[in-house]
Amino acid sequence: GQNIDQPTEMTATEGAIVQINCTYQTSGFNGLFWYQQHAGEAPTFLSYNVLDGLEEKGRFSSFLSRSKGYSYLLLKELQMKDPASYLCACASGANNLFFGTGTRLTVIP
Amino acid sequence: SQTIHQWPATLVQPVGSPLSLECTVEGTSNPNLYWYRQAAGRGLQLLFYSVGIGQISSEVPQNLSASRPQDRQFILSSKKLLLSDSGFYLCAWSVGTGGPGTQYFGPGTRLLVL
Repeated sequence: GQNIDQPTEMTATEGAIVQINCTYQTSGFNGLFWYQQHAGEAPTFLSYNVLDGLEEKGRFSSFLSRSKGYSYLLLKELQMKDPASYLCACASGANNLFFGTGTRLTVIP
Repeated sequence: SQTIHQWPATLVQPVGSPLSLECTVEGTSNPNLYWYRQAAGRGLQLLFYSVGIGQISSEVPQNLSASRPQDRQFILSSKKLLLSDSGFYLCAWSVGTGGPGTQYFGPGTRLLVL
């Protein structure tokens, strides 16, 4: 079976750094995606990791440890446009993405 | 550049009525196409995906069906809607590269079944 765990909610202060963790169990693991979804909107792609290590893209970084079934998304210098749900998704095979329920991030001014 | 369209944006339908949601992609050829549903408080659930015209794979048994009559057109249908069909329906596309290509989502259709 497939399972993804991520915290339901997180709160952080504007300008701070926040780390959103994701643990997963899946067969045929073929990479891990992070998406951002603002309320009422469609998800937008943030990052993809298939090898162990850290991928940095501007204020966003994503880390993967395949042996531990663990990933995190790091958001630096939080801004008031960052409140959203952050979705962790495992790729299984060529076409299947299995999504977690998302972490709702609140940013306090 | 590639764009993906979905319509309608919102829909209110009575129980037992039929459904047809349409998704089209521009700016790419032979994309992989996907239908997802996001129910309130739940994660995105893959319903169908297609790797080519007339090729549909169903992930979850349900009263919905999908068709791909043209390369860049993907349709989600139902003959009789259930209350449990309410949700946010998202179409997505990716380029088939032999691996899990990044999926890009359309704006979605919010369906309320009453």
